[in-house]
Amino acid sequence: ETGVTQTPRHLVMGMTNKKSLKCEQHLGHNAMYWYKQSAKKPLELMFVYNFKEQTENNSVPSRFSPECPNSSHLFLHLHTLQPEDSALYLCASSQERELGTDTQYFGPGTRLTVL
Amino acid sequence: AQSVTQPDIHITVSEGASLELRCNYSYGATPYLFWYVQSPGQGLQLLLKYFSGDTLVQGIKGFEAEFKRSQSSFNLRKPSVHWSDAAEYFCAVGSNDYKLSFGAGTTVTVRA
Repeated sequence: ETGVTQTPRHLVMGMTNKKSLKCEQHLGHNAMYWYKQSAKKPLELMFVYNFKEQTENNSVPSRFSPECPNSSHLFLHLHTLQPEDSALYLCASSQERELGTDTQYFGPGTRLTVL
Repeated sequence: AQSVTQPDIHITVSEGASLELRCNYSYGATPYLFWYVQSPGQGLQLLLKYFSGDTLVQGIKGFEAEFKRSQSSFNLRKPSVHWSDAAEYFCAVGSNDYKLSFGAGTTVTVRA
């Protein structure tokens, strides 16, 4: 498989559930990102990892917990979410952690619905 | 700080007609500019990017964009659209000092 993959593609969860989103990149990149995409709003950067180290946490609520065990894999652990957290969650990767200049490659996203 | 504005929320164009999507940015120095496309149910795919040099940039799928510093714009164009160009288009600006900032997107509908 090539590029950036995300699983699951769709997820419905209750507010008391715990679930995880998974992202895997096959591009040999060193930086990985989580974004939240809500309808008609700009993409919101949530977290950045560079060489497995978290380098950015964009004031994200603690109910979202990222994990990056290696440069190829990124997880987003979810617990006690709110209905307003329903959105498309996109994973991306880039060669280096040059946030503003490197080309980022995106996965297809996980469509999350919180009931 | 930097920001991006895409003035058009939704554009409808006939197949075979030309398309222009507007993007205005705010940044004091030379920006890094990107256009991404998102087809339904997909992630974002890079169409083209501008870092320096020739201000007219060619991208994939027949798209091009022109950087105009005097107007703080980076408009995307395609001479003749195909039905498969129906998608959402995002402009983004970045720099060495700031993370990538995305616009809210323009949805393109192509009618037969």
